Amino acid sequence: QVQLQESGPRLVKPSGTLSLTCDVSGGSITSNWWSWVRQSPGKGLEWIGEIHHEGGINYNPSLESRVTASIDKSKNQFSLNLYSVTAADTAVYYCAGSTDWRLDYWGRGTLVTVSS
Amino acid sequence: EIVLTQSPGTLSLSPGERATLSCRASQSVTSKYLVWYQQRPGQAPRLLIYSTSNRATGVPDRFSGSGSGTDFTLTISRLEPEDFAVYYCQQYDMPPRYTFGPGTRLEI
Repeated sequence: QVQLQESGPRLVKPSGTLSLTCDVSGGSITSNWWSWVRQSPGKGLEWIGEIHHEGGINYNPSLESRVTASIDKSKNQFSLNLYSVTAADTAVYYCAGSTDWRLDYWGRGTLVTVSS
Repeated sequence: EIVLTQSPGTLSLSPGERATLSCRASQSVTSKYLVWYQQRPGQAPRLLIYSTSNRATGVPDRFSGSGSGTDFTLTISRLEPEDFAVYYCQQYDMPPRYTFGPGTRLEI
């Protein structure tokens, strides 16, 4: 069973960069597309973007100008950078693995707070 | 961009009752791209139904999905205490993106 675990700073200053990594265990990172999804406190789900080990990347158009995703096959992990963050980027960030347009596997999520 | 709306926003029922949750799309959605998730408090979303009507591994058969075009439904035939959660529908369209509905809170 594939398991995902997010890691990274829990507190980021305004105008800074939010950086998260997702470790994939119990499966190969070459088997799926890998996504980031966030959920602001008390709100719904927002897809951020996805990446594939062969180089394919898709981003949510609303965030595309501030986001980059990367993948490290040797470490079986993928990462997210979100630039120029504001308080509106405070959220629980989930990593997820997808198959056939559905998000099958989810990490437990990590709360990232943007504050000075 | 396809927008999903879910109704009702909150549904109050009792264990043993039947729940019917609606997801409506602003444009027609290909059935294979319509998905449902369950999110319990403090937990990550869990895949429940994919391709409109297929239960994910380990999902009890009291959960069922149906629909086509712009109207989709998640039905829980007999509510168990652990079913009280928030349910999101999701669709995938082009350019590649996932979009979620705002969710239906199912409460006792």
